[in-house]
Amino acid sequence: DAKTTQPPSMDCAEGRAANLPCNHSTISGNEYVYWYRQIHSQGPQYIIHGLKNNETNEMASLIITEDRKSSTLILPHATLRDTAVYYCIVRVAEYGNKLVFGAGTILRVKS
Amino acid sequence: DTGVSQNPRHKITKRGQNVTFRCDPISEHNRLYWYRQTLGQGPEFLTYFQNEAQLEKSRLLSDRFSAERPKGSFSTLEIQRTEQGDSAMYLCASSLGVQTTDTQYFGPGTRLTVL
Repeated sequence: DAKTTQPPSMDCAEGRAANLPCNHSTISGNEYVYWYRQIHSQGPQYIIHGLKNNETNEMASLIITEDRKSSTLILPHATLRDTAVYYCIVRVAEYGNKLVFGAGTILRVKS
Repeated sequence: DTGVSQNPRHKITKRGQNVTFRCDPISEHNRLYWYRQTLGQGPEFLTYFQNEAQLEKSRLLSDRFSAERPKGSFSTLEIQRTEQGDSAMYLCASSLGVQTTDTQYFGPGTRLTVL
């Protein structure tokens, strides 16, 4: 079962930062936070993951609160192509551990 | 790297027919996963291979479903006696398999429609 809570949908203006929240209040010490997104009719695309430190890559930044009970994915300059379903997933670091997807957040970037 | 590829991209079949899908993982990735996604839902795990060994199967994988990865490279997912409830997107993912936190990369999926 999914262990995360995300808002069902969000809107963002093109060129602005998109901040997508995720609650994972029951996260365990050995669970990582992963973010994927899925553009319509495509396979999920990996974005970023982290354990407790903030992480940044070419796609996004991940901010994890100190108590690790919530996190925020930041797309710094959203474009229309960022319109997608964004999934926040907590995952134990074990070999072969599957991803458990929830319903995600539909992000609509508008011009 | 070429990404994960899946064939066919779309399959329409009649109820009761058998179908087979193929997944080619990223080169040198030794873990391969199958997921299923129905309309409006997130993907759900079906099964997982470490090289040629099938290590985990979901309860979603009924006895009509069989998956193989005979040489530890590509994998096939077969559905026998298809039912309308099998209509879904079937997704394949692969990962390198050298760390516990290795990232899974997904293919474009095969969309199955059972009439």
